[in-house]
Amino acid sequence: KAGVTQTPRYLIKTRGQQVTLSCSPISGHRSVSWYQQTPGQGLQFLFEYFSETQRNKGNFPGRFSGRQFSNSRSEMNVSTLELGDSALYLCASSLEGTADYGYTFGSGTRLTVV
Amino acid sequence: AQSVTQLGSHVSVSEGALVLLRCNYSSSVPPYLFWYVQYPNQGLQLLLKYTSAATLVKGINGFEAEFKKSETSFHLTKPSAHMSDAAEYFCAVSPRAGTALIFGKGTTLSVSS
Repeated sequence: KAGVTQTPRYLIKTRGQQVTLSCSPISGHRSVSWYQQTPGQGLQFLFEYFSETQRNKGNFPGRFSGRQFSNSRSEMNVSTLELGDSALYLCASSLEGTADYGYTFGSGTRLTVV
Repeated sequence: AQSVTQLGSHVSVSEGALVLLRCNYSSSVPPYLFWYVQYPNQGLQLLLKYTSAATLVKGINGFEAEFKKSETSFHLTKPSAHMSDAAEYFCAVSPRAGTALIFGKGTTLSVSS
């Protein structure tokens, strides 16, 4: 059974640019959540998509957006990149997006903004 | 607001010694609780989870955790540390089904020979 696939693994962007990250969940899972991990702030919830709809949202500016496709694959977009956006971005796949079903994380995309 | 506190950002043990990583949560209702492990340059791997069944939860790699409601704690233990246990460990809480995970700041476990 394939796990959660995040692409690309590493990315270097310049301030002001935009970036798109991709997450393919486990087959059959309908929920994809995104988290940002930094040394200073730790793991912070960005948003969750379930059946193509954003169901939950964390406390991040509007520069951070996402979407989910009919095959449950999700993309996350960050516009007008800032140095502080440098982080490991993790996505989590879940059958129903509820804690009792659990969450499986991908290996993450390491974004460096220069 | 719900929160998770991991006591000790860094814990060092000798190989074969007991591992104890501490986690306290704040929640107005019985939560779902998780422990995840992260190895360098990798994502998070689930060690174990508590979802209101047995209070003593056994996970992978010999780890276990006990839910203590009176102490609002969910400490992670392993009787005998192995070098391969060296990693960062995160405690997380989900206040109720359908909400996002709230993570603690993490505890880095070092194991010396």
